[in-house]
Amino acid sequence: TQLLEQSPQFLSIQEGENLTVYCNSSSVFSSLQWYRQEPGEGPVLLVTVVTGGEVKKLKRLTFQFGDARKDSSLHITAAQPGDTGLYLCAGVQAGSYQLTFGKGTKLSVIP
Amino acid sequence: EPEVTQTPSHQVTQMGQEVILRCVPISNHLYFYWYRQILGQKVEFLVSFYNNEISEKSEIFDDQFSVERPDGSNFTLKIRSTKLEDSAMYFCASSPNRDDQPQHFGDGTRLSIL
Repeated sequence: TQLLEQSPQFLSIQEGENLTVYCNSSSVFSSLQWYRQEPGEGPVLLVTVVTGGEVKKLKRLTFQFGDARKDSSLHITAAQPGDTGLYLCAGVQAGSYQLTFGKGTKLSVIP
Repeated sequence: EPEVTQTPSHQVTQMGQEVILRCVPISNHLYFYWYRQILGQKVEFLVSFYNNEISEKSEIFDDQFSVERPDGSNFTLKIRSTKLEDSAMYFCASSPNRDDQPQHFGDGTRLSIL
């Protein structure tokens, strides 16, 4: 069972375009993290969201946690080639220690 | 910025051999985790560890696996008798607490079972 579904799986866009990637679930999470992973490296934390409806900005990246804490989105404004990478969402359910990961969105930004 | 460090970066082992993967979590963190990522698949939880005991484990973490914090800085994952299907990237992570503080990951150990 895919607890966290990310879409799209692959995204290729031109430099300067905007994009949104999604992370959806039928389950409620007490917190949700977005990570970025480069080949051969570990996931690097971008942001944590914990409150339903919360919006966090990190330069050109905007993260939103759904009101019901079941979904999240990552919006990138004016994408740059340096944004290329695998974006992972991962959530923690109440009473648990484990992070449940989605399969990721592989983003390619073409100069 | 403090980081989680893992050694070795790559381990090649014969099937049936024991292997120990090592991690040094961030120094003021209290919760420690192991995850694995089989090539092309998503990151999967193995085990969490707090206050010198396992706090949660997944179905993957069977009797062949064990974890230990042998001293004040290291956190290890042992696989007793490795199988071909144990080949994967193994990531260690740590967090200050369990609730809203995120987990920080090391760069992983690539385990190759021959």
